Amino acid sequence: DADVTQTPRNRITKTGKRIMLECSQTKGHDRMYWYRQDPGLGLRLIYYSFDVKDINKGEISDGYSVSRQAQAKFSLSLESAIPNQTALYFCATSYGTGNFYEQYFGPGTRLTVT
Amino acid sequence: GQQVMQIPQYQHVQEGEDFTTYCNSSTTLSNIQWYKQRPGGHPVFLIQLVKSGEVKKQKRLTFQFGEAKKNSSLHITATQTTDVGTYFCAGTYSGYSTLTFGKGTMLLVSP
Repeated sequence: DADVTQTPRNRITKTGKRIMLECSQTKGHDRMYWYRQDPGLGLRLIYYSFDVKDINKGEISDGYSVSRQAQAKFSLSLESAIPNQTALYFCATSYGTGNFYEQYFGPGTRLTVT
Repeated sequence: GQQVMQIPQYQHVQEGEDFTTYCNSSTTLSNIQWYKQRPGGHPVFLIQLVKSGEVKKQKRLTFQFGEAKKNSSLHITATQTTDVGTYFCAGTYSGYSTLTFGKGTMLLVSP
């Protein structure tokens, strides 16, 4: 959806470099998520945030950190990138009341760590 | 931790054949959602099931939630080439606020 944007769309970086992936949304949603997709492994949750002051670790948070700069912005950082962090990264958003709301995904960032 | 198992991992059908993908959890789910990801695209929400035994239809797609709320299926009748993509189920467990995704079923449809 154009309502959820991710930058950059593609990135190649070297081992040990710090990299930030950014997500912005115009949907007015409170909840934002970062997922990682690897072939055959589905979508795995890295971090999620239910409002600006709320940050939670997901299933695979090691090696990652996040920042929720505003309701509309949620950034994912790799402090020291390693090759096994090569993957497709998706940001997603959803409404904040109740648990049963659909998630809207951004177009993804394809990250390659060499 | 909780896991949602999804099978098959991959299926190749001829256009016009039916297709089914199944999701299974060892623990009761509060709800289950289905997403479709076209090749090169991002996951897009299809539907949500909440009630035990619930069945919902969207044109040629039929979604079911098991009576015990531990399994779900997506059935496509008479596949078309536009159905190509990966279908994911994703469930929420009681006391948790996030989705647990299955690994997806990749569907290829040959004309």
